[in-house]
Amino acid sequence: EDQVTQSPEALRLQEGESSSLNCSYTVSGLRGLFWYRQDPGKGPEFLFTLYSAGEEKEKERLKATLTKKESFLHITAPKPEDSATYLCAGGSGAGSYQLTFGKGTKLSVIP
Amino acid sequence: DSGVTQTPKHLITATGQRVTLRCSPRSGDLSVYWYQQSLDQGLQFLIHYYNGEERAKGNILERFSAQQFPDLHSELNLSSLELGDSALYFCASSVAPGGTEAFFGQGTRLTVV
Repeated sequence: EDQVTQSPEALRLQEGESSSLNCSYTVSGLRGLFWYRQDPGKGPEFLFTLYSAGEEKEKERLKATLTKKESFLHITAPKPEDSATYLCAGGSGAGSYQLTFGKGTKLSVIP
Repeated sequence: DSGVTQTPKHLITATGQRVTLRCSPRSGDLSVYWYQQSLDQGLQFLIHYYNGEERAKGNILERFSAQQFPDLHSELNLSSLELGDSALYFCASSVAPGGTEAFFGQGTRLTVV
């Protein structure tokens, strides 16, 4: 069974304190590893797709990396507006593209 | 704003009832996905339609059904509702059936009382 596990469940950082979120995956026929940001009561907002081990993508203070078993979302010098739940998902399926989501890491950045 | 529109935003209904959730995908997107998000289960894939055709089913109950219409909007029908069906239901759309990112709507919060 496909599985995506995120850690930690929650993370509190001081503004400017860099850290990393972890996503471990076991997804059969993985075709892409996705990161989304979700604010309370809102839909997930697309951040990155990674397709192969060694790939890295950056957007502002966020950088996502991928290995054969894990993905990391590095947050550099976070700001309070980065507070959100970050979701990792593995994409798989032939003729379709189902996402298997982890339960997320709730990030709080304290001013 | 992702460009994916879901209505209604909130829905409160009684056990045993039937409801219909609606989703309009982004302009040009042919794929529509439905997901359920509950506190204990996280986001769970329900069903995928591409250009009117069902492509994949996930953890969708037999009491639930969906369809995609010629204008590409989709509806998720939930019947014989139970308390445990209370959740956020999200629709996502993408251009192709696979290999590209999906953009999510703001969701419909369903409360069954």
